[in-house]
Amino acid sequence: DTGVSQDPRHKITKRGQNVTFRCDPISEHNRLYWYRQTLGQGPEFLTYFQNEAQLEKSRLLSDRFSAERPKGSFSTLEIQRTEQGDSAMYLCASSLGVQTEAFFGQGTRLTVV
Amino acid sequence: TQLLEQSPQFLSIQEGENLTVYCNSSSVFSSLQWYRQEPGEGPVLLVTVVTGGEVKKLKRLTFQFGDARKDSSLHITAAQPGDTGLYLCAGIYGGSQGNLIFGKGTKLSVKP
Repeated sequence: DTGVSQDPRHKITKRGQNVTFRCDPISEHNRLYWYRQTLGQGPEFLTYFQNEAQLEKSRLLSDRFSAERPKGSFSTLEIQRTEQGDSAMYLCASSLGVQTEAFFGQGTRLTVV
Repeated sequence: TQLLEQSPQFLSIQEGENLTVYCNSSSVFSSLQWYRQEPGEGPVLLVTVVTGGEVKKLKRLTFQFGDARKDSSLHITAAQPGDTGLYLCAGIYGGSQGNLIFGKGTKLSVKP
């Protein structure tokens, strides 16, 4: 296993379009997290899954954001009707359980034009 | 209000100098992690500290967790240009449901 994998690495989209990002966690990890990072800031927590259950989604930035982890393996983060303010790095991380070390993917850089 | 305050925000030093980066909070953390991030990449885990007063060393990097588990520091000895990057502290506390909460980071530049 080579770690957390995110796809695509870069995405440029026009305002108003929908985008979907994929995250493949480390295989034995049951927790998966999504973060957003804007320039000059630390990562901001969005949501997380314990296996296939999404246990926290109140931090998702708006109802245009949604995430799934259908079989407790990979996860997708979708942003509908993108806005320029959505331009950021979207990071995925996984961990073996609660309060264990989290390992991050390389991120997806979204640019909304 | 940022739960985790990191200082300084920016640091530019010459190769061979020593430096210390601080991470402070008013909350008690059950664990705290330090990451290093390069531009366009995800954060890479350096160390996890869980016990108050704990000190961990990673080559030229020394990490300390405060006795009250509210603060931490990262000390780099004889900095090298390869140490350049964004250093992030992140902690898990009672209200975070096991999720990491990050500081804004310290951007370190080491000039040859």
